[in-house]
Amino acid sequence: GENVEQHPSTLSVQEGDSAVIKCTYSDSASNYFPWYKQELGKRPQLIIDIRSNVGEKKDQRIAVTLNKTAKHFSLHITETQPEDSAVYFCAAIGWDQKLVFGQGTRLTINP
Amino acid sequence: GAVVSQHPSWVICKSGTSVKIECRSLDFQATTMFWYRQFPKQSLMLMATSNEGSKATYEQGVEKDKFLINHASLTLSTLTVTSAHPEDSSFYICSARDQVVSGNTIYFGEGSWLTVV
Repeated sequence: GENVEQHPSTLSVQEGDSAVIKCTYSDSASNYFPWYKQELGKRPQLIIDIRSNVGEKKDQRIAVTLNKTAKHFSLHITETQPEDSAVYFCAAIGWDQKLVFGQGTRLTINP
Repeated sequence: GAVVSQHPSWVICKSGTSVKIECRSLDFQATTMFWYRQFPKQSLMLMATSNEGSKATYEQGVEKDKFLINHASLTLSTLTVTSAHPEDSSFYICSARDQVVSGNTIYFGEGSWLTVV
């Protein structure tokens, strides 16, 4: 099945700076790559996603890039704000249609 | 948008008892639902795939006799933790995909906190 690796596990940036979280996946047949933000004890919230026929997608301060050849995708958050502090998960859907999550990144925005 | 509802939000039970968690798709039909478990400060780990009208398929290392899954209708899947023990205490969350309206968009339930004492 699919295996997703996520780095770093923790990330601390100054408010206003950019944050980048990277993930790799193992299943070359995977075709959907969502990113989630999760507050403690709550359901994951989809913040952006990308499909395998697209290399980059942007939504205001958030962007995701996908490199199918290298099997990695990244989340970019620009002009970070304190409310961006949370745990972020990347995920991928493999050939078996199962959504597999990365290990998570705890992002802290320092004022 | 599509909504997935999960109940109960939190439950405390005694060791050795069983607990049932429900996952409902409120405005779409879900032939497949997924159950995840999340321990504190860890990722969401897929436990099993719930298939409407057939047996669930379990991930490696998940005991099917301990975590009973029933998907009797297109809008309801249940997870029963049998003979619960303190190590089963965790955040359990379901998800479903609305393949008709939203393509492959995945919706999550609110999650259920299980504490076994």
